[in-house]
Amino acid sequence: RKEVEQDPGPFNVPEGATVAFNCTYSNSASQSFFWYRQDCRKEPKLLMSVYSSGNEDGRFTAQLNRASQYISLLIRDSKLSDSATYLCVVNHGFKTIFGAGTRLFVKA
Amino acid sequence: SAVISQKPSRDICQRGTSLTIQCQVDSQVTMMFWYRQQPGQSLTLIATANQGSEATYESGFVIDKFPISRPNLTFSTLTVSNLSPEDSSIYLCSVVGQGATEAFFGQGTRLTVV
Repeated sequence: RKEVEQDPGPFNVPEGATVAFNCTYSNSASQSFFWYRQDCRKEPKLLMSVYSSGNEDGRFTAQLNRASQYISLLIRDSKLSDSATYLCVVNHGFKTIFGAGTRLFVKA
Repeated sequence: SAVISQKPSRDICQRGTSLTIQCQVDSQVTMMFWYRQQPGQSLTLIATANQGSEATYESGFVIDKFPISRPNLTFSTLTVSNLSPEDSSIYLCSVVGQGATEAFFGQGTRLTVV
């Protein structure tokens, strides 16, 4: 079993749609959780941290459920510029573990 | 966030040669890591670069193939040795700042072995 598993994707959605990504992690001792965004041929960039209390940044909402070892990312009112690969990331000790990523295509 | 400069951004190398990639950070960071990202794949951790001592390698990666240096808290190099076409990939430097948990990345080095 992979340490971090994500929806396989790709997700193809129209502009304005709401899209949700899910992620599960296997190590219950994991301490920190993030969503990164990676554009084609670019390095990953931090999108947002994820907390049990949930956190929102504009159109993006992230949620952590420690009991279920589940992380989610919700994107509302999708824009063309949201098209990218979204990586679920988990810290365990000093290691940062990346999910395989979910590809999102937002179309006009 | 730290400003990370990774060089070169891309290179084309002959089989059997080596490529050294540099990563320079504008501030002292706690952790520095090297990742590989093969086409269409996610990131795979190669090793943790330890300041003043040997790097800590992940399963499947060895020092002879991927020697790493980290002489101080702001600089590291990764060498990919005895290149073969299978080494064609993107190599990424990553850092975690002091007191932080989130990682930031260099721009990546796109290596093509011919």
